[in-house]
Amino acid sequence: DGGITQSPKYLFRKEGQNVTLSCEQNLNHDAMYWYRQDPGQGLRLIYYSQIVNDFQKGDIAEGYSVSREKKESFPLTVTSAQKNPTAFYLCASSIGEQGSTEAFFGQGTRLTVV
Amino acid sequence: GEDVEQSLFLSVREGDSSVINCTYTDSSSTYLYWYKQEPGAGLQLLTYIFSNMDMKQDQRLTVLLNKKDKHLSLRIADTQTGDSAIYFCAEKPRSGSARQLTFGSGTQLTVLP
Repeated sequence: DGGITQSPKYLFRKEGQNVTLSCEQNLNHDAMYWYRQDPGQGLRLIYYSQIVNDFQKGDIAEGYSVSREKKESFPLTVTSAQKNPTAFYLCASSIGEQGSTEAFFGQGTRLTVV
Repeated sequence: GEDVEQSLFLSVREGDSSVINCTYTDSSSTYLYWYKQEPGAGLQLLTYIFSNMDMKQDQRLTVLLNKKDKHLSLRIADTQTGDSAIYFCAEKPRSGSARQLTFGSGTQLTVLP
């Protein structure tokens, strides 16, 4: 089955640590996205990538980093510089710009700082 | 920049119709979407409407678009307890923008027995 997979589902981080959230898709989509979800604030765009080896900052990129070495994979690293990392993180992918470009979402990773 | 707004909460009785509203600011929006999020899960696309349409119906779902007022609504007929979820409105800006979708804050729909 084609889809987008995030792992792990739950992640705990100690203060000062970097953690990496995995996002893999087998939909052959060019574009991939990372969103952060906080209660009552909807989805905020962290980073996005339209093509392999290229990515752009979204609205809240500070304290995060990404890479796009393969079309299928778009990992997100939450660095120690992110002061309030506890949130639900969603990865998405889409074909690209043209047409209705439905975005497919993973099941999310809940990150908690302990 | 683009902005999409929704009310945060809506409660309805089982069997009634639900209407979730959304306003947006980008007049160049090409597509407008409704997504559903169940607890602890990702977002699932429910339906979308192209900006030159006024209405789209898909089984129990009816989407109305008032482009002049930049107002989008989602009507769920015969609402069931399984419809309880967060519903997100989203808009896709004009072609050429790489940022793709802008989401509203989501409306928590609670269906009461």
